[in-house]
Amino acid sequence: EVVMTQSPATLSVSPGEGATLSCRASQSISSNLAWYQQKPGQAPRLLIYDASTRTTGIPARFSGSGSGTEFTLTISSLQSEDFAVYYCQQYNNWPPVTFGQGTKVEIK
Amino acid sequence: EMQVVESGGGLVQPGGSLTLSCAASGFTFSSYWMSWVRQAPGKGLEWVANIEQDGSEIYYVDSVKGRFTISRDNAKDSLYLQMNSLRAEDTAVYYCARGQGWVDPWGQGTLVTVSS
Repeated sequence: EVVMTQSPATLSVSPGEGATLSCRASQSISSNLAWYQQKPGQAPRLLIYDASTRTTGIPARFSGSGSGTEFTLTISSLQSEDFAVYYCQQYNNWPPVTFGQGTKVEIK
Repeated sequence: EMQVVESGGGLVQPGGSLTLSCAASGFTFSSYWMSWVRQAPGKGLEWVANIEQDGSEIYYVDSVKGRFTISRDNAKDSLYLQMNSLRAEDTAVYYCARGQGWVDPWGQGTLVTVSS
């Protein structure tokens, strides 16, 4: 099973500032990585797949990068609606598909 | 608009059974893998199972193998999860989602509570 490790667990950021979230895989997963955003009481929403491809409707301030075992989600200038929990997910070696434990982005 | 809507959650006693349903609309259901993902209260996301377009390939997370059965009815654009021998640790919001790897869209989820 591929273990996904996200850091930090919590990131405190002021509105307008940038944020960098990290995700590490326990073995190479090529670029088969997705990022999701989840707000309280809501279902997760797909932001990025194949490590760097934004899905339809996702603002350009969200960008993904990386391959192999190290990945990054960057939010260039945080808006109020961006404060949420973010999960990475690998789909290279499955089953099982595995998720990271999440990074909470909170208002500083 | 692509949409999936789950139903069937509720309170069930340990050892009991429950069947979840997921109704899809806005896309050609029969052309896509479908998945179930769950989230225990206050916890992260856990993939549960997925099923290929015609049901010929099915995969489960180890913790539900032999207890849960995923199935689909392409004529009804519907996905199902039959859950037997339920345990307290199965308590979670269960999400239906389109796809095999990355998944999108997700439904709003249905809560399953296993408790006596």
